[in-house]
Amino acid sequence: AQSVTQLDSQVPVFEEAPVELRCNYSSSVSVYLFWYVQYPNQGLQLLLKYLSGSTLVKGINGFEAEFNKSQTSFHLRKPSVHISDTAEYFCAVRGTGGGNKLTFGTGTQLKVEL
Amino acid sequence: DGGITQSPKYLFRKEGQNVTLSCEQNLNHDAMYWYRQDPGQGLRLIYYSQIVNDFQKGDIAEGYSVSREKKESFPLTVTSAQKNPTAFYLCASDNQGARHTQYFGPGTRLTVL
Repeated sequence: AQSVTQLDSQVPVFEEAPVELRCNYSSSVSVYLFWYVQYPNQGLQLLLKYLSGSTLVKGINGFEAEFNKSQTSFHLRKPSVHISDTAEYFCAVRGTGGGNKLTFGTGTQLKVEL
Repeated sequence: DGGITQSPKYLFRKEGQNVTLSCEQNLNHDAMYWYRQDPGQGLRLIYYSQIVNDFQKGDIAEGYSVSREKKESFPLTVTSAQKNPTAFYLCASDNQGARHTQYFGPGTRLTVL
């Protein structure tokens, strides 16, 4: 079984400032890692995912994340945020074996202010 | 356009009534999922189906039922046995295999009056 911890429930940041949203996971097997974004009253949209290879993954809307196996982390970053980035962000993990379910963190609400 | 549709967007029901939430996908995905979302709790898996005419309970299946008679459709029934049904419900689908992206519908917000 896997678990995901998103320690920050809310992150306020000014427009054009950098941001990091933290994600740590726990698993006894190898995993795939995902970040999703959810705008108010909408479904989730994939930002990026780590499957293998380079530990730095680039996604949509200028976001990137770095997989750190030794620290079991997959933090999401953006060098300069925009008002339109205001949303809830979910980190998720899935074991690489067949039949494994996607396990989500509790989410981080990013609020970008002028 | 390929995607997942959920209807209705908003749903109100009285206590003691069953209600069915619709989920349809035209992505030709084998697997479909139902999640419940409550503030501060992330997404919790209710039921999932990896193939037509087969489905499995997720982490919070009590008070819910599903069917999978067609590959494209995975309706969720919230029964009167569900003690706290007010929530945002999300349907998702993917191709089998852990590396595949799970795609989500726009959600249905259910409110019990």
